Amino acid sequence: GAVVSQHPSRVICKSGTSVKIECRSLDFQATTMFWYRQFPKQSLMLMATSNEGSKATYEQGVEKDKFLINHASLTLSTLTVTSAHPEDSSFYICSVPQGELHEQYFGPGTRLTVT
Amino acid sequence: GQNIDQPTEMTATEGAIVQINCTYQTSGFNGLFWYQQHAGEAPTFLSYNVLDGLEEKGRFSSFLSRSKGYSYLLLKELQMKDSASYLCAIMDSNYQLIWGAGTKLIIKP
Repeated sequence: GAVVSQHPSRVICKSGTSVKIECRSLDFQATTMFWYRQFPKQSLMLMATSNEGSKATYEQGVEKDKFLINHASLTLSTLTVTSAHPEDSSFYICSVPQGELHEQYFGPGTRLTVT
Repeated sequence: GQNIDQPTEMTATEGAIVQINCTYQTSGFNGLFWYQQHAGEAPTFLSYNVLDGLEEKGRFSSFLSRSKGYSYLLLKELQMKDSASYLCAIMDSNYQLIWGAGTKLIIKP
């Protein structure tokens, strides 16, 4: 399956600052990538679908001006958490769908802590 | 509405067999996935079912009954490393995954 990397793996930032998370598809050209958020002991929550060369599609309740997504190439999507607050602290994971089954291959995730 | 139900937590003994159930009600169905997620890590793909029946892959098997909206993941010869959360997910008509809350499996020696 697709090999997906994320950077950084962990980040601690102060409230009010912005944080950029990168998701790279290392061996597969991805026109679509998914961004998820997972709070402790909860399931994955889809935040948005990142589309190469066009605007991302956000799920209901996700603020597009707060969570900026850029999918500038077929191998890179970025998620920027703007003006971060402690409640944004979470595990952010990207995934790349591949193959006839459209199964999703996940990056290792980014643990964001906002102090 | 869309709903996926899994038990929150299960406990089993090393070497034994455990069955994790998943029931679902979704609008559109393009298959059911099982993923494994170790604490602090991203999910990894385990299995996919789109037709009724049993799919076997080594120590893991997955079963689907579309008419009953039911699936199970069967883990045999349990090992300590199998301690993880197991996520059931349905692919909807838009090829997006709808996730269950996951079942935390605890393996005891």
